[in-house]
Amino acid sequence: DAGITQSPRHKVTETGTPVTLRCHQTENHRYMYWYRQDPGHGLRLIHYSYGVKDTDKGEVSDGYSVSRSKTEDFLLTLESATSSQTSVYFCAISELAGVETQYFGPGTRLLVL
Amino acid sequence: AQTVTQSQPEMSVQEAETVTLSCTYDTSESDYYLFWYKQPPSRQMILVIRQEAYKQQNATENRFSVNFQKAAKSFSLKISDSQLGDAAMYFCAYSNTDKLIFGTGTRLQVFP
Repeated sequence: DAGITQSPRHKVTETGTPVTLRCHQTENHRYMYWYRQDPGHGLRLIHYSYGVKDTDKGEVSDGYSVSRSKTEDFLLTLESATSSQTSVYFCAISELAGVETQYFGPGTRLLVL
Repeated sequence: AQTVTQSQPEMSVQEAETVTLSCTYDTSESDYYLFWYKQPPSRQMILVIRQEAYKQQNATENRFSVNFQKAAKSFSLKISDSQLGDAAMYFCAYSNTDKLIFGTGTRLQVFP
């Protein structure tokens, strides 16, 4: 199994508070991704990174920001959480661009009250 | 824009039988990759099988095989000799750049 961890695994927060989710990898893969999973939508890409300090937006990036200061860590921040951001968040990594297999972390369940 | 469609929200199969999950996609590209991921109740996303569009031969992984019809833009997953542990959500995904595009998933139930 690819070495990917996510923290926290579960979080409950209130509307308007900032939230940061962390993805950590031990595989030294270049590409890292953040997805959200909602019923009826499958997985949708929020942001991705193609190197340290190199990031780009995905399909559903509004309300989210990311940072990658080290190869192994990719942070997802909800600046001011809203109830519509209640979801399960997955981090994924891949060695090369998306044509290579992506390996997923265990997911973080976030509830915004 | 590329899209991936899974038209079967739920499927069921008897243990030891065969089931086929459907997936269609839309793209104007000629080179791309297609994937099937499995998500059991643990929520872990697990790669089942991968197909490179330039390869005409259908990919196979043990009991899992695909029927890749490039002209029809169809990529179905066949599970043979179904087992109780195959019960999960199955997602079809497409990629030709640095992003995966997922379908909405098919929930597979396996009955003993």
